[in-house]
Amino acid sequence: DIQMTQSPSSVSASVGDRVTITCRASQGISSWLAWYQQKPGKAPKLLIYAASSLQSGVPSRFSGSGSGTDFTLTISSLQPEDFATYYCQQAKSFPITFGPGTKVDIK
Amino acid sequence: EVQLVESGGDLVQPGGSLRLSCAASGFTFSSYWMTWVRQAPGRGLEWVANIKQDGSEKYYVDSVKGRFSISRDNAKNSLYLQMNSLRVEDTAVYYCVPYSYGSGSYGDWGQGTLVTVSS
Repeated sequence: DIQMTQSPSSVSASVGDRVTITCRASQGISSWLAWYQQKPGKAPKLLIYAASSLQSGVPSRFSGSGSGTDFTLTISSLQPEDFATYYCQQAKSFPITFGPGTKVDIK
Repeated sequence: EVQLVESGGDLVQPGGSLRLSCAASGFTFSSYWMTWVRQAPGRGLEWVANIKQDGSEKYYVDSVKGRFSISRDNAKNSLYLQMNSLRVEDTAVYYCVPYSYGSGSYGDWGQGTLVTVSS
C-alpha cells in the first residue's frame, strides 16, 4: 500500500499569510494526487486534483504542485474561511490512501 | 445537482451487523466507480471500499476484508455496504462518494451516516 504523510500536522497562521502544506508519498504516484479541505462537522471538499488542477469553483488562491513523491498545497493569502483541516489523497493504486491531515488554525 | 444520501447508521454492539445504503441522484450513477470513505471521531479520512460500475471489481482496505461487502444496484441508483463482525474501531461517519476515475478524486460528498459500535 502507498503511505501518505503530511507536514506540518498543524500550522497557526494569520489572515493574509501564505501557507504551504507538504504531502509525501511512500512511492512514486506521478500526478495522481488530490487535496481536500474539511471543516468541523462537514464533509470534505475537493480543492485540487491531478496534483495541480483547480476544482471548479475553488478560489485561485489555492494552488497545488509536485509530481512523483513530493507535493505541495499553497494558499497564497489566507482568508478567514480557510481555517480548516487539509488532506492529500493518492489515486495511483488501490487501496486509495489519504494523508493524516494538516490543521490550519488562527494565530 | 449531485445528491448522495447515506442511511442505515446506528448504534450496534461489537460483533453485530449493519447495512448502509446510499441513494444517489443528479449524475449517471451507472457510469461511476463508487466508494465508501469513513472518518472516525476526531480522526482522518479512511478509504474503505470501491466498486466498479458493473460490480465486477471490488476492493477493500485490509482492516475490513472478510467482514464488509460493498454492492450496488444501478437500476435503483443505490450503493450498499454490508458490515458484519463489527468492531469498536469501525465507529465512524461513513460517506458514499462517486469516484472520478479520470482524475482520481472525489468531487461530491454526502452528509454521511454515523455508525457507533459500542457495548
